[in-house]
Amino acid sequence: EIEMTQSPATLSVSPGERATLSCRASQNVNLNLAWYQQKPGQAPRLLIYGASTRATGIPGRFSGSESGTDFTLTISSLQSEDFAVYYCQQYDKWPRTFGQGTKLEIK
Amino acid sequence: QIQLVQSAAEVKKPGASVKVSCKASGYDFSTYGISWVRQARGEGLEWMGWISPHSGDTEYAQKFQGRLTLTTETPTSTVYLELRTLGSDDTAVYYCARETYSRAFTWYFDLWGGGTLVTVSS
Repeated sequence: EIEMTQSPATLSVSPGERATLSCRASQNVNLNLAWYQQKPGQAPRLLIYGASTRATGIPGRFSGSESGTDFTLTISSLQSEDFAVYYCQQYDKWPRTFGQGTKLEIK
Repeated sequence: QIQLVQSAAEVKKPGASVKVSCKASGYDFSTYGISWVRQARGEGLEWMGWISPHSGDTEYAQKFQGRLTLTTETPTSTVYLELRTLGSDDTAVYYCARETYSRAFTWYFDLWGGGTLVTVSS
């Protein structure tokens, strides 16, 4: 099973500033890495797939990158609606696995 | 409208079974698979299993092997999750999500259902 490790668990950032969230896979996932945003009481929403491709309708301030088994989600200028929990997920191998999540909170 | 609509909340006693449905609409049901993901209150996302309406193939997380069954009903574009021998730690919101139709290909979870709360309590 591929283990996904996200850091930090909680990130406090002021609106308008940049947020950088990290995710590490325990083995190669061949860029089959997605990021999801989840707000309280809602289902997760796909943000990024293929490590760096924005899903339909996702604003340009969201970007994804990779370096081997390390992945990064960057939100360039935080808006009030961006404060949420973010999960990474690998869909390269079975079982599908998620990171434990990063809670992005207002500083 | 492309969507996954899930069945209503359930309350079950310990030891019972639950069956949750996920009805697809707005796209060709056979060209995507469905995964199930659950989330206990205040916790993260846990993948449970996958089924392909195209082939009937399934994959299950080892944790749920023998206790979880996924089925499809093609005429109604519906996927079912049945979880048996429920315990209090099965209390969670259960989500269905669209993904690959074949084990040989990869696809991300690009469409999610709204979730079904299953509460296990005596």
